[in-house]
Amino acid sequence: GQNIDQPTEMTATEGAIVQINCTYQTSGFNGLFWYQQHAGEAPTFLSYNVLDGLEEKGRFSSFLSRSKGYSYLLLKELQMKDSASYLCAVKDDSWGKLQFGAGTQVVVTP
Amino acid sequence: GAVVSQHPSRVICKSGTSVKIECRSLDFQATTMFWYRQFPKKSLMLMATSNEGSKATYEQGVEKDKFLINHASLTLSTLTVTSAHPEDSSFYICSATGTGGWYGYTFGSGTRLTVV
Repeated sequence: GQNIDQPTEMTATEGAIVQINCTYQTSGFNGLFWYQQHAGEAPTFLSYNVLDGLEEKGRFSSFLSRSKGYSYLLLKELQMKDSASYLCAVKDDSWGKLQFGAGTQVVVTP
Repeated sequence: GAVVSQHPSRVICKSGTSVKIECRSLDFQATTMFWYRQFPKKSLMLMATSNEGSKATYEQGVEKDKFLINHASLTLSTLTVTSAHPEDSSFYICSATGTGGWYGYTFGSGTRLTVV
């Protein structure tokens, strides 16, 4: 079956760094996405990894290891507006479906 | 960039009535549209996948007669919740992928459905 695991909640202070881990076991793999979702809003795209390694994009970086079924999203220089849910999603082979993890709620405190 | 417009953003309807939700891709051709529902503080649950001009493929446990999906053109897909009941109250989001070089998925802004 499909299984995508990520922690439920993480708390960090403004200016700090937080790393959100995601492990997956899926029937197919064609890339991994990270999305940010604020309450009551649709997800917004953060990053995409299909090859092993680190992708850096400003304050956000994402890492993938396909052999380990593992990814992380690194948020640096945390700001209050970064308080949100972060969703890990794996692109399935069939129809290109995205399988989502349950999301990690990040709480940034002053 | 790719934009998907979803309407309405909020709707309240009476039990037993039907509600239609629209998603339009504004600047690209959405060859595939995905429909999700999301309960509070939960992740997105895929309901169905639709390709333009074809019948939708529903996920296990999703009633196709209750959640009617139409993807008649490359820019428009609709989800109709028929004979809505309070348990259908949820946040519904569409996501599109298509031509234009963008390998990702563009989400609509979501529809908050409340059935009273």
